[in-house]
Parts: sequence; C-alpha cells; structure tokens
Amino acid sequence: QVQLVQSGAELKKPGSSVKVSCKASGGTFTTYTIAWVRQAPGQGLEWMGRIIPIHDITKYAQKFQGRFTITADKSASTAYMELSSLTSEDTAIYFCAREDVMIPIETAAFDSWGQGTMVIVSS
Amino acid sequence: EIVLTQSPGTLSLSPGERATLSCRASQIFSSSYLAWYQQKPGQPPRLLIYGASIRATGIPDRFSGSGSGTDFTLTISRLEPEDFAVYFCQQYDSSLPYTFGQGTKLEIK
Repeated sequence: QVQLVQSGAELKKPGSSVKVSCKASGGTFTTYTIAWVRQAPGQGLEWMGRIIPIHDITKYAQKFQGRFTITADKSASTAYMELSSLTSEDTAIYFCAREDVMIPIETAAFDSWGQGTMVIVSS
Repeated sequence: EIVLTQSPGTLSLSPGERATLSCRASQIFSSSYLAWYQQKPGQPPRLLIYGASIRATGIPDRFSGSGSGTDFTLTISRLEPEDFAVYFCQQYDSSLPYTFGQGTKLEIK
C-alpha cells in the first residue's frame, strides 16, 4: 500500500509562492503518477495537475497554467507542487494523490491520498 | 471540460436505510472513467468505486456503483453510522482535465 506524506501547513503573503512536498513510500515511485488536488474551505475538490515521474511529463489544468509547477525527485520518491502569485482565493487544503498508471494516455482513479497541506494566504 | 452535477446536495437518512446518490455529466464519457469518493471531516477523500461499478480494495459490499453515458449512481444498501460523510463523483477521462462533482452530504436524520 502506497503512503503519501505531505509537508506541513503554510501561511503566505499575497503575491508570494508556496511549495508543498509529497513523499511516497511503500511502492515504486516511478511506476505511477502523482496528481495534485485542492479543496477550498467548505468547498469541493479541484484537480490542478499531474506528473508522471518516470517520464517527467506534466499536465496542468488550464486555470493554473503559468503559475503552477509540479516536479518530482525520483531519488527521494517525492513530488512537489509550487504555486506562485498567491491570492486569498488560493487559500485551501492541497492534496497529492496517486494514479496507478505510468503512461501519459492512461488515467486512473486516485487510490491513495496524502493527508493534505493547509495553505493560508493572508496579509 | 466535463461538468459533473451531483444530487441531492444533502441527503438526510437514518442508519439502516438505503441511500441513492446521483451524478450527472454534461457530456457522454466512458463509464470506465467514473469514480466515487467518501470524505469525512479533516480527512482526505477515500476511493470507494472506480470504473463506475468496481469497488476499491477494502470497501464493504453495501457500497455499489452503476450507470453509463451521462448518469451514474452510488448506492449504499444499508447505512452504517460511519457512512455519514460527503460523497464526490469524479471523471478521469483521458481528455483532461479531471473534474469532480460538488458533493452530496449524507447526514443523519
């Protein structure tokens, strides 16, 4: 069973950037895809993007293009998401999740999730 | 982008009753790419159903999924106290982006 452990909560100023990590254990990091999903307070789930670490291929939701970057450190079995130009609307819990696929054209439901990282954007 | 609309927004039932949750898509997509998740306060979502009708590992058989085309259903045959939570549907069709429904809150009556 793959386990995903995320970094801790962040308090950021408007206009700044935040970087959140997601460390995987219990499986082979290069055999699956990591996605990022966020959830604003009391709201639903929003897919932000994904990375296939073995290929370093990323795909982003159009809404976040240009200010959102996902990277992966295969040696550390860790994925990262960085969101820049933060506004109060980016205040949310950010989750990483696993898709058990490793080919770009393939997709899968999210069978493992990180515990979530709260990011608060406030002056 | 495929928009998913869940109904009802809130469902009030008692333990032992049957729950039926709906998820309607704005366009047809393959049922192979429809999932249901359960989320409790302070926790990440948990995968219940994928491929519209396949239970994820460890999910009790009182949970079942069905549907195709644009209409999908999650049924909980006999509600247990631990089933009261928020439920989301998700489509993960290869034509990204993935999208989620807005959620159905299942509360104790």
